[in-house]
Amino acid sequence: AQSVTQPDIHITVSEGASLELRCNYSYGATPYLFWYVQSPGQGLQLLLKYFSGDTLVQGIKGFEAEFKRSQSSFNLRKPSVHWSDAAEYFCAVGGGNNDMRFGAGTRLTVKP
Amino acid sequence: NAGVMQNPRHLVRRRGQEARLRCSPMKGHSHVYWYRQLPEEGLKFMVYLQKENIIDESGMPKERFSAEFPKEGPSILRIQQVVRGDSAAYFCASRYRNTEAFFGQGTRLTVV
Repeated sequence: AQSVTQPDIHITVSEGASLELRCNYSYGATPYLFWYVQSPGQGLQLLLKYFSGDTLVQGIKGFEAEFKRSQSSFNLRKPSVHWSDAAEYFCAVGGGNNDMRFGAGTRLTVKP
Repeated sequence: NAGVMQNPRHLVRRRGQEARLRCSPMKGHSHVYWYRQLPEEGLKFMVYLQKENIIDESGMPKERFSAEFPKEGPSILRIQQVVRGDSAAYFCASRYRNTEAFFGQGTRLTVV
């Protein structure tokens, strides 16, 4: 069965610092991978997705993620964090069976 | 094309009452997912439905919870005889085949 692990429950970074949020997945075939962001009291918004092709994908708000098949990872990165990036981030994996599973989320706090 | 519509946005029920949460997927989407988010926790998968079929309900509690997605009309998540522990945000997402999932704004259920 497919699953997603986000090892970091809570991360704090200073504004302007770089960010990397970790995501590891378990899936028997080529996965479809996603990162979503949830601001307080809101639904989830798609940041970026990977289906195939270039393993480095660019998303909205200056985020990018890299698919590494050998490590079963899809880590999210941003070179310089802004205070408005404080939110909850969810990694998700889907596949040909149309199922979709989410990680437990990583809460990002941004220090001034 | 309207996004995923969930209603009501907020629902208050007394213990023992029934809660009915509605989700209208995006136009053309035939895959619906329900997730529960408890305070300070991540998203927990509950059920995956296609039109008139439950595909995966492995995340649904065995009692009091049910879901449907009829041929016509919205998907309904029904919680009978609610208890305080059912208080949470319930999110619905829809997809078209293997594209990304689009989320509604959620229904926040409070059991008093």
